[in-house]
Amino acid sequence: DSGVTQTPKHLITATGQRVTLRCSPRSGDLSVYWYQQSLDQGLQFLIQYYNGEERAKGNILERFSAQQFPDLHSELNLSSLELGDSALYFCASSAGRVTNEKLFFGSGTQLSVL
Amino acid sequence: SQQGEEDPQALSIQEGENATMNCSYKTSINNLQWYRQNSGRGLVHLILIRSNEREKHSGRLRVTLDTSKKSSSLLITASRAADTASYFCATRSNDYKLSFGAGTTVTVRA
Repeated sequence: DSGVTQTPKHLITATGQRVTLRCSPRSGDLSVYWYQQSLDQGLQFLIQYYNGEERAKGNILERFSAQQFPDLHSELNLSSLELGDSALYFCASSAGRVTNEKLFFGSGTQLSVL
Repeated sequence: SQQGEEDPQALSIQEGENATMNCSYKTSINNLQWYRQNSGRGLVHLILIRSNEREKHSGRLRVTLDTSKKSSSLLITASRAADTASYFCATRSNDYKLSFGAGTTVTVRA
């Protein structure tokens, strides 16, 4: 158990809908990362937050947004969903203080857009 | 786009044999990390090597880094069935992003 909790584990929705994925980092970790994993795109970095502030941005679509709350949990909002958004979404956390840190991954949310 | 590219894409070996996979990356890095993913599950960190290090060991894992060639290798010695998984290299550049490669799928046959 990595200590990173993601909910829900599975999500099935329709095109055009909006969903929210939730992540609770390991106790004490200040950084949260979001990744999207699909067969054709591999593991894509979406965005990173550190102590409530956006720290780095990757290939995140404008239809997607994220935030990190004062209690350090994070949410990834996906809107106007398309079939191609079907993927496994991972959250990871790290202490966030230095760059030579390993990430701890949650077990992911499997999103299916029908 | 992905920073690292693993080679080979897939590897099948007999239990007890060694498995070697390579990672090449494009831009300068702060460190390089290797992760393992069992089917459909979260990634698990294996080892981190800093840009000023050339080799690192952890149990049956050996990682090398050649910054002049922008490449790294991961060696798993005396493989076991439990090593069956996908292995990813990840590079951290100075912009804090940790970018993953496409991964190498390793199958260890009993």
